[in-house]
Amino acid sequence: DTAVSQTPKYLVTQMGNDKSIKCEQNLGHDTMYWYKQDSKKFLKIMFSYNNKELIINETVPNRFSPKSPDKAHLNLHINSLELGDSAVYFCASSPGLANTGELFFGEGSRLTVL
Amino acid sequence: SQQGEEDPQALSIQEGENATMNCSYKTSINNLQWYRQNSGRGLVHLILIRSNEREKHSGRLRVTLDTSKKSSSLLITASRAADTASYFCATEGGNKLVFGAGTILRVKS
Repeated sequence: DTAVSQTPKYLVTQMGNDKSIKCEQNLGHDTMYWYKQDSKKFLKIMFSYNNKELIINETVPNRFSPKSPDKAHLNLHINSLELGDSAVYFCASSPGLANTGELFFGEGSRLTVL
Repeated sequence: SQQGEEDPQALSIQEGENATMNCSYKTSINNLQWYRQNSGRGLVHLILIRSNEREKHSGRLRVTLDTSKKSSSLLITASRAADTASYFCATEGGNKLVFGAGTILRVKS
């Protein structure tokens, strides 16, 4: 069983479209995250939810909207996609808040905006 | 700005050699973590070292932490081709983990 699973793994779309990436964790963790990894492999946190409550919202354009229907799911919806949104998006989870222990990552969703 | 910065950016060694990667950070921490990322995959946690620890071992991995210099090192002994990956240090700050830019390690067989 995959602990943190993301779908889709690959996404190719045109500028201006809207797309969603889904994430589910079966670890029973309370906290989930979205990270963006750019072409230079730099990982930047975007959002964090703890028990469905938004606790971190970094300086991310409001075209990005996370949704956590329950603590096992954290989805990311992106409106009006731009070329600069091309990246690999990673979902992660942790038992508690990030300062208490390790993060468990999904395999990533590679988004290519043409 | 990033909390952790690794060096070197890239490292190429022969199988059997040791690989050392360094991480420097800026502010006080409670713990520091190291992660590995194989090409096209997600990050995998390797080891966590707390601020009151100076050294920690896990199999062929040895991590040191010097809080006075705000630096950490990851040593992989007797490297294998399967160790080829990117390695990231991560520090916590404000309920989030902040990752460095990573070191790309290539182990040639």
